[in-house]
Amino acid sequence: KAGVTQTPRYLIKTRGQQVTLSCSPISGHRSVSWYQQTPGQGLQFLFEYFSETQRNKGNFPGRFSGRQFSNSRSEMNVSTLELGDSALYLCASSLVGGRKFEQYFGPGTRLTVT
Amino acid sequence: KQEVTQIPAALSVPEGENLVLNCSFTDSAIYNLQWFRQDPGKGLTSLLLIQSSQREQTSGRLNASLDKSSGRSTLYIAASQPGDSATYLCAGQFGNEKLTFGTGTRLTIIP
Repeated sequence: KAGVTQTPRYLIKTRGQQVTLSCSPISGHRSVSWYQQTPGQGLQFLFEYFSETQRNKGNFPGRFSGRQFSNSRSEMNVSTLELGDSALYLCASSLVGGRKFEQYFGPGTRLTVT
Repeated sequence: KQEVTQIPAALSVPEGENLVLNCSFTDSAIYNLQWFRQDPGKGLTSLLLIQSSQREQTSGRLNASLDKSSGRSTLYIAASQPGDSATYLCAGQFGNEKLTFGTGTRLTIIP
């Protein structure tokens, strides 16, 4: 069974631009969560989607948004990029996003904002 | 606020030794705890998941335990190998269902 895939793997953007990252979960998994990883803050939760609905949201500004499609694929969007948005963005999928289910992570998208 | 802590931040161990990585959390109402490894510049690889009703889980040379009352989890690695060098992260899932991560322990196995 294929793992979680994320595209693109690397991205370089300029301040003020916007970016869209994509995540395809493991087949059959309906929950997708997004995390931001930086050297200073570690891994921080962005949001979780299940059945095309955002179920949970972390403490990030409204510039960070996401959505999930009917096939469970998810995208996250960051508008008006800032230098501090440079990070590794990871998505994770699980069967139903419940409390008992293991989360599987993709390889991440490395975003560099210049 | 749930907090997950991992100490030490870095650990070096000679090849072949057994070792223990520590993880502590502040909220005893934990639903499960998951251990991951992360190689430099890579994503997270799930190692073990311990549900709140369980005390430990084993996979090969790895054994993870969970003690909710003391707010601690340990990851035991037997007969360490250079390929075990990586950053190990623990993450707890609490009432709000998102994973709360520790800051990780960077493990180096010395050949």
